[in-house]
Amino acid sequence: EAQVTQNPRYLITVTGKKLTVTCSQNMNHEYMSWYRQDPGLGLRQIYYSMNVEVTDKGDVPEGYKVSRKEKRNFPLILESPSPNQTSLYFCASSPQGGGKLFFGSGTQLSVL
Amino acid sequence: GNSVTQMEGPVTLSEEAFLTINCTYTATGYPSLFWYVQYPGEGLQLLLKATKADDKGSNKGFEATYRKETTSFHLEKGSVQVSDSAVYFCALSTGGTSYGKLTFGQGTILTVHP
Repeated sequence: EAQVTQNPRYLITVTGKKLTVTCSQNMNHEYMSWYRQDPGLGLRQIYYSMNVEVTDKGDVPEGYKVSRKEKRNFPLILESPSPNQTSLYFCASSPQGGGKLFFGSGTQLSVL
Repeated sequence: GNSVTQMEGPVTLSEEAFLTINCTYTATGYPSLFWYVQYPGEGLQLLLKATKADDKGSNKGFEATYRKETTSFHLEKGSVQVSDSAVYFCALSTGGTSYGKLTFGQGTILTVHP
């Protein structure tokens, strides 16, 4: 089954403790992206990647890192999480971008 | 820059009622327009799209027409069902160096009662 898989679904952590949210897609898509969803703000793009070893900042990249060493994986790294990073995070992929994104089921992160 | 504005929600309707969710946009260039739907506990799914002026996107009884003159892409459905309860997002993409980047509206929560 074609899908984007994120892990974990729920994560509670404390300020400053490094964490990684994994994302994997099995559709051989070139384009992958991370979004955060906050009430009243919709989805905002954090980082995106056009292909392996090619990543770029989205609208809200501060406090986040990403890497794209393999085509299928695109982990999101929070080196020193802060409470303002409490949010619902979505990974998405697309064969060439252009608007039809395939989304994962989301990761609800709480930073205490 | 690009932006998308959706009507404020939440929207509560009875089953079989008519639905309209307003969406307007500002964009540099000539955008493609999308509606995504998010069911409880799930990621977003593409509902419909339109890529040029006067195009009508449709799917599952939902429709939206790309109106360049009013910069709008309102979502409509003639008779909603309880199963349509979800969050609906209007979005646009202008491609170019941001190829694949979507700019989303804030989302509209729809609740349909039996």
